[in-house]
Amino acid sequence: EVQLVESGGGLVQPGGSLKLSCAASGFAFSGSSMHWVRQASGKGLEWVGRIRSKADNYATVYAASVKGRFTISRDDSKNTAYLHLNSLKIEDTAVYYCSRYTTGFDSWGQGTLVTVSS
Amino acid sequence: SYVLTQAPSVSVAPGQTARITCGGNNIGSKSVHWYQQKPGQAPVLVVHDNSDRPSGIPERFSGSNSGNTATLTISRVEAGDEADYYCQVWDSSSDYVVFGGGTKLTVL
Repeated sequence: EVQLVESGGGLVQPGGSLKLSCAASGFAFSGSSMHWVRQASGKGLEWVGRIRSKADNYATVYAASVKGRFTISRDDSKNTAYLHLNSLKIEDTAVYYCSRYTTGFDSWGQGTLVTVSS
Repeated sequence: SYVLTQAPSVSVAPGQTARITCGGNNIGSKSVHWYQQKPGQAPVLVVHDNSDRPSGIPERFSGSNSGNTATLTISRVEAGDEADYYCQVWDSSSDYVVFGGGTKLTVL
């Protein structure tokens, strides 16, 4: 069974940093493209970015709203993807989901809440 | 950047058919995926590649895609289908994933 478990969310001040983790199991993580998607309270889904596999040189791409502030990385030896959030803004407050992309996002974690507030 | 447009809400009586549309420029040339999200839960993929259903998704859920509109059709709607539905594509020109704004399905 595919499982994705996010962790690392919490309360952070504007301008602060946070590191989210996504622990994967039940599938060939090292060969998978992993994405992060966020959702502010009462709002729609917003794609944050993705990291491809080693075969694709761990290529990353980011949404314009987070480019230059967020970084996605992965440790295939730990079956874990990461989202590094820097220079956080109040509008970054959201539930952050990691997801595996095959034919669409076929597996999602339960999400982790990031709250940016002073 | 590529934009997907969904109506904010759709209402349907139990047993009837719900059609949720997703508009985009020449969306018929792209693969469209649909997600169902219930309150407090992560999204669930209900249709992928325009019209294919993942394992475990009822046959009542179907999809089509042509021209500038993709459609998710839910037949014989049940109370349990009440949820937000999102369409999604991958825009190859930007290498971005794009979501529609979501449609709230209300079962009357």
